[in-house]
Amino acid sequence: GAGVSQSPRYKVAKRGQDVALRCDPISGHVSLFWYQQALGQGPEFLTYFQNEAQLDKSGLPSDRFFAERPEGSVSTLKIQRTQQEDSAVYLCASSLRHISPDTQYFGPGTRLTVL
Amino acid sequence: AQKVTQAQTEISVVEKEDVTLDCVYETRDTTYYLFWYKQPPSGELVFLIRRNSFDEQNEISGRYSWNFQKSTSSFNFTITASQVVDSAVYFCALREEYGNKLVFGAGTILRVKS
Repeated sequence: GAGVSQSPRYKVAKRGQDVALRCDPISGHVSLFWYQQALGQGPEFLTYFQNEAQLDKSGLPSDRFFAERPEGSVSTLKIQRTQQEDSAVYLCASSLRHISPDTQYFGPGTRLTVL
Repeated sequence: AQKVTQAQTEISVVEKEDVTLDCVYETRDTTYYLFWYKQPPSGELVFLIRRNSFDEQNEISGRYSWNFQKSTSSFNFTITASQVVDSAVYFCALREEYGNKLVFGAGTILRVKS
């Protein structure tokens, strides 16, 4: 079956532009996660959805970052007024249920470069 | 607080050598879950294994094996008879019982040369 897909795969933005990154989770997966991976580092948690409810957004670095999952499937991560420090790979993951043992399956990521 | 340490930044081996990737973790929870992921150059994180804190049995899957030791808070990963296709970045991660997020180590770059 299809895995997690993300689009676009690459995005170049000028500083100050707004960007929107899309994630299509595995069909039927209840939980969806966003992570940010800086160059040479491990992924860091941004936010978590259970169906359409955003239950944890403790990892969002500033109020310029906003995520939504209005119908409990596709999710969008929006970054307003992009800054150079926002340059990173943004990874989306989904899991079947909302319990801790469930494995998170990751998409290929969106590489964002802010000039 | 949760923390995962992968002290080896980069390892280079010659094909057919065995290699062990180290992972040390910190958590206050008694129930937690440990994971290993592989990140090839394409960028996608590929799930390799999940281990529950209450199951210390070591696991073998083909050329891969994992050694979980609660006494030393370690969850090491060994590749036997490495191949060029094993070249990737490998991440160890921790998730607490009531936590939502995975906490990752910084990763170990493995280069297997032919």
